[in-house]
Amino acid sequence: GQQLNQSPQSMFIQEGEDVSMNCTSSSIFNTWLWYKQDPGEGPVLLIALYKAGELTSNGRLTAQFGITRKDSFLNISASIPSDVGIYFCAGQETGANNLFFGTGTRLTVIP
Amino acid sequence: GAVVSQHPSWVICKSGTSVKIECRSLDFQATTMFWYRQFPKQSLMLMATSNEGSKATYEQGVEKDKFLINHASLTLSTLTVTSAHPEDSSFYICSARGGGGTQAFFGQGTRLTVV
Repeated sequence: GQQLNQSPQSMFIQEGEDVSMNCTSSSIFNTWLWYKQDPGEGPVLLIALYKAGELTSNGRLTAQFGITRKDSFLNISASIPSDVGIYFCAGQETGANNLFFGTGTRLTVIP
Repeated sequence: GAVVSQHPSWVICKSGTSVKIECRSLDFQATTMFWYRQFPKQSLMLMATSNEGSKATYEQGVEKDKFLINHASLTLSTLTVTSAHPEDSSFYICSARGGGGTQAFFGQGTRLTVV
């Protein structure tokens, strides 16, 4: 299946720093989703985006649906140790049933 | 959010045996369920999509006779790994979506180890 390119692959940051990660696709998506996965657990939805240009926040997290509909960005402000985990973007094509997942960004927060 | 429960959370089986994994939507009716496989340090790869009461649609490269999917009710889908081999060891995750819903909710995953 299709896979989305996510970057960076991993990040090591100090507690309190801001984080940015992005996801790009060769296809146009009508929905972009961002998930966080803890070790040994299923992904948990963080933010869902449904319109090109949409900017949505969830606490310290902000995500944007790119204007071209081929990319999306996730920002985490003032990181804390519990932000540690793997972040995945996921996209859904118009009329499609399933999600395509990004390659993941592994975040490590150093206290 | 809606709750999706997977069982078991982990299982160890002998090579050549079959293993069944259950995925239940606890507080909504799941018209569509998805099964993913995730190898260590990799992303989730869709294996198959199933709609209640009909045959599952498998992704390219996934053997439908090896990975049997049953979605007999609106709250339960099962994945059976038949004649398991060590290379089938992986993290299997289901997600479920209700009719008319746009979001799919994920189970907690099942770690399968074939020895």
